[in-house]
Amino acid sequence: KAGVTQTPRYLIKTRGQQVTLSCSPISGHRSVSWYQQTPGQGLQFLFEYFSETQRNKGNFPGRFSGRQFSNSRSEMNVSTLELGDSALYLCASSLVVGSYGYTFGSGTRLTVV
Amino acid sequence: AQKVTQAQTEISVVEKEDVTLDCVYETRDTTYYLFWYKQPPSGELVFLIRRNSFDEQNEISGRYSWNFQKSTSSFNFTITASQVVDSAVYFCALIRTDKLIFGTGTRLQVFP
Repeated sequence: KAGVTQTPRYLIKTRGQQVTLSCSPISGHRSVSWYQQTPGQGLQFLFEYFSETQRNKGNFPGRFSGRQFSNSRSEMNVSTLELGDSALYLCASSLVVGSYGYTFGSGTRLTVV
Repeated sequence: AQKVTQAQTEISVVEKEDVTLDCVYETRDTTYYLFWYKQPPSGELVFLIRRNSFDEQNEISGRYSWNFQKSTSSFNFTITASQVVDSAVYFCALIRTDKLIFGTGTRLQVFP
């Protein structure tokens, strides 16, 4: 079966712009989590969605937001981009909350210039 | 506080050498899960193993083995007879309220 699909793969944006990243989970998986990976801070949890509801949120400013659709696909949005938002954004899906069988996508590499 | 420490930043070995990646964790939870992930240059995090706190048995999967010791809060990962394809960054992680807390990773370079 198809894995977790993240689009786009690469993105270059200008400071102050906003960006939307997409994640399609494995078919049948209903939980989607997002992580940010930077050289300085490592891998950090952004948020988790299950059945279109945000269940969990990491310690990030309100510029970072997300949503999940009825087909479990998820999007995350970053508004008013800053240089420090340059990172690899990884999405993970799991069957249900608490199953801990996370499968990650290949990520979206965002560069803010 | 929940924390995962991978003290080894980078390890270089020659093919066929055995290598052990260290992971030390901190948690106040009595029930918890630990993970190892591999991140090749493509960026995807590849799941290797999940272990719950009740199961202290060591596990072997092919050339990979894991040593979980609650007494020392360690969950070490050994690759036997390393291969060039094992070159990647390896992350140890702890689950906390349904979110993964990752260590800083160990970059393994295996030279032919």
